[in-house]
This record gives sequence, structure tokens and C-alpha cells, in this order.
Amino acid sequence: DVKVTQSSRYLVKRTGEKVFLECVQDMDHENMFWYRQDPGLGLRLIYFSYDVKMKEKGDIPEGYSVSREKKERFSLILESASTNQTSMYLCASSLRLAEETQYFGPGTRLLVL
Amino acid sequence: AQSVTQLGSHVSVSEGALVLLRCNYSSSVPPYLFWYVQYPNQGLQLLLKYTSAATLVKGINGFEAEFKKSETSFHLTKPSAHMSDAAEYFCAVSGISASKIIFGSGTRLSIRP
Repeated sequence: DVKVTQSSRYLVKRTGEKVFLECVQDMDHENMFWYRQDPGLGLRLIYFSYDVKMKEKGDIPEGYSVSREKKERFSLILESASTNQTSMYLCASSLRLAEETQYFGPGTRLLVL
Repeated sequence: AQSVTQLGSHVSVSEGALVLLRCNYSSSVPPYLFWYVQYPNQGLQLLLKYTSAATLVKGINGFEAEFKKSETSFHLTKPSAHMSDAAEYFCAVSGISASKIIFGSGTRLSIRP
């Protein structure tokens, strides 16, 4: 079974803090994704990566950056957390192309005070 | 460009009744279509996907969906709802060689005893 793990289930941070969310997959997948999930808005893509050290902006990249130094690990960085970044963050991975199944982690619920 | 619309943010049915969750898509290329389910406090998992083979797709837990090109629809059905089906359901669309998939805003399914 594919397993995608996220470093924290719940996080509370203060405005202005730098926040790191980490995601690890164990199935040698090429693609990894970061989404944020908000009520009524579904999932919105923040960034994705199709290879080590490669990244592409998604639909809402502002205020975020990412890092993929190893194939299995994809980190999301909030450079200076703001209250409007309070959300559920979901990481996913897929083997190669977008039409293939994405496997999701359990999510990190982030509260920025 | 691709988009997906889920009709109804909340659907409530009685246990044993038919479940129908609606999804319409827009795609400039032949689409790949997905239904994902999210149980409380969990990430998303794939229910089923359409990738241009049979138009009636069967998924896990007794769910199925029918691809109707003329109606640009991919509605999800289950003949008899079970209490364990209570969850949020997301429709999603992608295309050949696309780098990402587009998620709908989600439909929360409640089951009445």
C-alpha cells in the first residue's frame, strides 16, 4: 500500500512565524502535490513537483514556497504565516501523470493566531 | 482549460435510499474524471476513475459513475446508502498529459437513520 505521511496533524503558529510542513511518500512516486482545503472551496493546488528539485506553481502559490531535495520528501514553507493561511493542508503523490491516482496524506490542520 | 462543478454542497438521504451526487465538467481535451472520498479527519482516497474505457465505471464500496459526454456529466450513484457512506465527496477532472487535476468544491453526504 502507498503511504503518504505528513509531519503533523495539528499545528498552532503565530502571525509572522516561518512554518514548515513536511510530506513523505514511500512508493517512489515522481509527482508530489500540496493542496489547501477550505470549506466550500474544495481543494486548491498550491505547488507541485514532478521531479527532485523541480517545482511548478499551482493556482494559489502566493505566500508559500516548496522544497524537494529528495524524491520521497516534499516540504511546504510558509515564509511569514498570516491568519488567512489558517486551513487544512493536504499532501498527495502520484506515479507520473495527472490522470493517475493521487494518494493523499491525512492532512495538517494549521491555525495561525 | 478544465473545470468541474458539483451541484449541491450538502446532500442528505435516508439509510437504504439511492445516493446521487452530481458532477459536471468542462474540458478542451478528452477528460479523465475522478471521484474521491474524504472520511472525517482523513485525507482523500480514490473511489473510482474514468480514463476513456467503459463509460460506466464501478468503484469501491458499491459506488459507480457514468460518463455522459453529451451532458458533460459524471454523476456518482449508489443504489442503497449505508451509514458508513457519510463523508465528503469530490469530483475531479484532468486530461491527457496534464500536469494536474482540478477538484470540485465537494459535496457532503449525510445519511439519516
